[in-house]
Amino acid sequence: GENVEQHPSTLSVQEGDSAVIKCTYSDSASNYFPWYKQELGKGPQLIIDIRSNVGEKKDQRIAVTLNKTAKHFSLHITETQPEDSAVYFCAATNQAGTALIFGKGTTLSVSS
Amino acid sequence: GAGVSQSPSNKVTEKGKDVELRCDPISGHTALYWYRQRLGQGLEFLIYFQGNSAPDKSGLPSDRFSAERTGESVSTLTIQRTQQEDSAVYLCASSSSRGRGNTIYFGEGSWLTVV
Repeated sequence: GENVEQHPSTLSVQEGDSAVIKCTYSDSASNYFPWYKQELGKGPQLIIDIRSNVGEKKDQRIAVTLNKTAKHFSLHITETQPEDSAVYFCAATNQAGTALIFGKGTTLSVSS
Repeated sequence: GAGVSQSPSNKVTEKGKDVELRCDPISGHTALYWYRQRLGQGLEFLIYFQGNSAPDKSGLPSDRFSAERTGESVSTLTIQRTQQEDSAVYLCASSSSRGRGNTIYFGEGSWLTVV
């Protein structure tokens, strides 16, 4: 079945710096790759997603890139702010297309 | 409702007891998911419902876990004879239709502690 690997597990940056989180997936049939942000004690919230017919997508300070050949995708956050501190999860659809398979998460800490 | 609603938000139970967790999906969403998240870990897929189709139960960890959903409404996740390793947040999510690429919205989760 689908397997999603996410790196790094923790990331600490200074306010204003950029942060990059990378994920790889195993199922070449996967064609939807969302990113979720989870704050302490809350459910994950979608922040950006990308489909396989697109190589890059940007939404203000957040961007996602996808390399289907290499089967990896990345989240880029520019001009980080303390409120960006959270756990970020990448995901890809499973083989059956019925659910998302998640990476193990990256804890991002932005210090001011 | 406006979002996915889960209850209870917190549950402490004794080892060996059964528990039921409830999920109200976003109105009109035909797909419903259950995930488990152990402390400091990622999200583990448990089960998926789509309308009146047979559910995808491939993620259920043992026969102590079961879930039901009637049509496109409320779902209940039941854990029988709870064990300490069942302690986790159980997250419910819904989306508007089956298939790849539909946004999945999560509830706040039910925190289960087995003592």
